[in-house]
Amino acid sequence: DAGVTQSPTHLIKTRGQQVTLRCSPKSGHDTVSWYQQALGQGPQFIFQYYEEEERQRGNFPDRFSGHQFPNYSSELNVNALLLGDSALYLCASSLGTGSGGGETQYFGPGTRLLVL
Amino acid sequence: AQSVAQPEDQVNVAEGNPLTVKCTYSVSGNPYLFWYVQYPNRGLQFLLKYITGDNLVKGSYGFEAEFNKSQTSFHLKKPSALVSDSALYFCAVRPRRGNNRLAFGKGNQVVVIP
Repeated sequence: DAGVTQSPTHLIKTRGQQVTLRCSPKSGHDTVSWYQQALGQGPQFIFQYYEEEERQRGNFPDRFSGHQFPNYSSELNVNALLLGDSALYLCASSLGTGSGGGETQYFGPGTRLLVL
Repeated sequence: AQSVAQPEDQVNVAEGNPLTVKCTYSVSGNPYLFWYVQYPNRGLQFLLKYITGDNLVKGSYGFEAEFNKSQTSFHLKKPSALVSDSALYFCAVRPRRGNNRLAFGKGNQVVVIP
């Protein structure tokens, strides 16, 4: 059973550029959440996708956007990159929207983004 | 708003000794609580969670955690630490109603000394 996969593993960009990160959820999962983990910090919630719609959003600017495809995979797009966007970006998958359930979010290995 | 506090930056323990990693939380209503572990240059690996019922939760690799509602704590424990347990440990909380986002603490580095 394949777990959560993410691509690419590493990425180097310059300020002002745009980046797209990809995530395939664990088999059977239909919900994808994205987190940003800055160096030395815990992960911070960016947004969550379910049924191809953004369901919840954390405190991130509109430069951060996403998409979910019919096969439940997801993309995270970041426009106009800033130096402060350098971080490990984690994708997590789960089953259901979780409006009240205790389902577990399973994380991928992450994409490490460096903005120069 | 939900939040998690992990008061210690680093926990040092000798191999074979008991390991405890502390976590306190703040959330509206009753929480769902989680522990994850992160090895260098890796994603987060799920260890255990508290949903309801018994306050003592058993998880992977011999870890367990105790939910204490009055103290709003969810400390992670292992009776006998291994060198391979050296990693970064994160506590996370989510409310039962309203949203599905996990709020993480800043993490605790655990160093198990041979």
